[in-house]
Amino acid sequence: GENVEQHPSTLSVQEGDSAVIKCTYSDSASNYFPWYKQELGKRPQLIIDIRSNVGEKKDQRIAVTLNKTAKHFSLHITETQPEDSAVYFCAASKGDMGRRALTFGSGTRLQVQP
Amino acid sequence: NAGVTQTPKFQVLKTGQSMTLQCAQDMNHNSMYWYRQDPGMGLRLIYYSASEGTTDKGEVPNGYNVSRLNKREFSLRLESAAPSQTSVYFCASSSSAGGIDTQYFGPGTRLTVL
Repeated sequence: GENVEQHPSTLSVQEGDSAVIKCTYSDSASNYFPWYKQELGKRPQLIIDIRSNVGEKKDQRIAVTLNKTAKHFSLHITETQPEDSAVYFCAASKGDMGRRALTFGSGTRLQVQP
Repeated sequence: NAGVTQTPKFQVLKTGQSMTLQCAQDMNHNSMYWYRQDPGMGLRLIYYSASEGTTDKGEVPNGYNVSRLNKREFSLRLESAAPSQTSVYFCASSSSAGGIDTQYFGPGTRLTVL
């Protein structure tokens, strides 16, 4: 089955700096790669996703890049703010839209220091 | 819309007891999922249902059963709870309508098995 590895497990940055979280996946058939943000005691919420037919996607301060050849994808957060502090999970999936079994990474705890 | 709702929010069981976790969504989604999240780890898929009347095993199905009661509801049953099933359980739903592939999560059920 699919295996997703995520690094680093913890990341501390100063407010205004950039943060990068990296994930690798094992199944070359995976075609959908979402990123979720989870605040303490809350549910995971999707922040951005990318499909295998594109290499990069941006949404304001957040971007995701995908390298299918190397089977890795990364989350980039620019101009970090204290409210970005949370645990971030990457995930990978193959299959059809609307019926995906996600395999998650183990998470990165991001702390943004004011 | 309430989105994805789960009951109960908290539950304490003794080893060997049984219980059913309830999940409902009001977004007319076809697919529903059950995940578990252990401390410091990502979410792992237990079971999912791509449509009413179908269910499939995920990564960690042992010790669980599911029922897709109708399009709205997807329940998870523990027949004989074990301490290893202490976890936070999240239900999610998704649809491919409009080209959007997001899985929306419920608030979670925190289960402790003594």
